[in-house]
Amino acid sequence: GQNIDQPTEMTATEGAIVQINCTYQTSGFNGLFWYQQHAGEAPTFLSYNVLDGLEEKGRFSSFLSRSKGYSYLLLKELQMKDSASYLCAVMDSNYQLIWGAGTKLIIKP
Amino acid sequence: GAVVSQHPSWVICKSGTSVKIECRSLDFQATTMFWYRQFPKQSLMLMATSNEGSKATYEQGVEKDKFLINHASLTLSTLTVTSAHPEDSSFYICSARSPWQDQETQYFGPGTRLLVL
Repeated sequence: GQNIDQPTEMTATEGAIVQINCTYQTSGFNGLFWYQQHAGEAPTFLSYNVLDGLEEKGRFSSFLSRSKGYSYLLLKELQMKDSASYLCAVMDSNYQLIWGAGTKLIIKP
Repeated sequence: GAVVSQHPSWVICKSGTSVKIECRSLDFQATTMFWYRQFPKQSLMLMATSNEGSKATYEQGVEKDKFLINHASLTLSTLTVTSAHPEDSSFYICSARSPWQDQETQYFGPGTRLLVL
């Protein structure tokens, strides 16, 4: 079967760095997405990785290793507004999105 | 648990025809379902929110007569794109929420890719 695994919840301190991991097993691969979702709001797109390596975008970076079926989202200089759920999703060979359950990130002062 | 399915996965249709997309919560009852559309590498754009047994609430700019939403049961919502045109080609994703699961969490479907020729 197809599945995406990511931690249910993480806690970090304001100003620190946190890494949210995502491992996947899917039938085919056409890219991996990271979304941020604040409670009660629609998910917002953060990153898309289709090739191995690190993509940096401001305070957020996303890494992909296709051979390992592994990605992480790295958040630096954490701010209170980064408290949200972070969703990992993989597009399979049929261009269907397989969603992780999301990681709830709690930022403490 | 908390699985959401969509049918069909892919649909190609001619301009002017209507297309119905189904969204089902397979193992839980969803009092609220959301319909989104997504263009490549962009965020999901919320189209409408539907509560079981009542009319859907549409976001600004979404034509309710063009995108008909029906949420007739606690496990099924449908989106009908009426008189589809090429600019309606997009990736349509539904999500479902249940007060008996986690009140805040939306469970997302795999999406339906629509191509209008």
